[in-house]
Amino acid sequence: GIQVEQSPPDLILQEGANSTLRCNFSDSVNNLQWFHQNPWGQLINLFYIPSGTKQNGRLSATTVATERYSLLYISSSQTTDSGVYFCAVENWGSGNTGKLIFGQGTTLQVKP
Amino acid sequence: DTEVTQTPKHLVMGMTNKKSLKCEQHMGHRAMYWYKQKAKKPPELMFVYSYEKLSINESVPSRFSPECPNSSLLNLHLHALQPEDSALYLCASSQEQDTQYFGPGTRLTVL
Repeated sequence: GIQVEQSPPDLILQEGANSTLRCNFSDSVNNLQWFHQNPWGQLINLFYIPSGTKQNGRLSATTVATERYSLLYISSSQTTDSGVYFCAVENWGSGNTGKLIFGQGTTLQVKP
Repeated sequence: DTEVTQTPKHLVMGMTNKKSLKCEQHMGHRAMYWYKQKAKKPPELMFVYSYEKLSINESVPSRFSPECPNSSLLNLHLHALQPEDSALYLCASSQEQDTQYFGPGTRLTVL
């Protein structure tokens, strides 16, 4: 099956700093999503981005499908950005529709 | 509205108990999912329902029994669980081949 690797595993930032999180995947994908999991466990959708670039406020994401990676950019980080960021991918072949494969996540801590 | 609701938020049960987790969405999504998440690990898919039919079962033990009574509701029936089944159980829904939206989860403790 598809392998998903995220880096770095842990990241500590000072408030106001910028950061880039990376997601590499081992096969072609039809779906790629970035999530933020808050300390209470809620998984919040950030982006649905199987290819291209999207921006939402201080967050943006780019997926280069041909090179099998995606990047999540966080600018001017805030303490509320702390939590775990997951990349998840899906390949619709072989009856796998709906089967999201998650990376191990990047744990971000933003210090005031 | 992109809300998926789950009840209860917390559940403590003994190994001989029978309990159920409930998930509801009113977004008209035709696919619904159960995931299990252990501490400091990513979510792992358990079941997928598509148009109210079970389409994926990731070799989950039979002590977990899913049910989809209608297109808005998804249940997970629990029976004779083990302490290692303690985890956060997440429900999600989507249109087919589209963004998955997650509920807040049920934190389950098996004593």
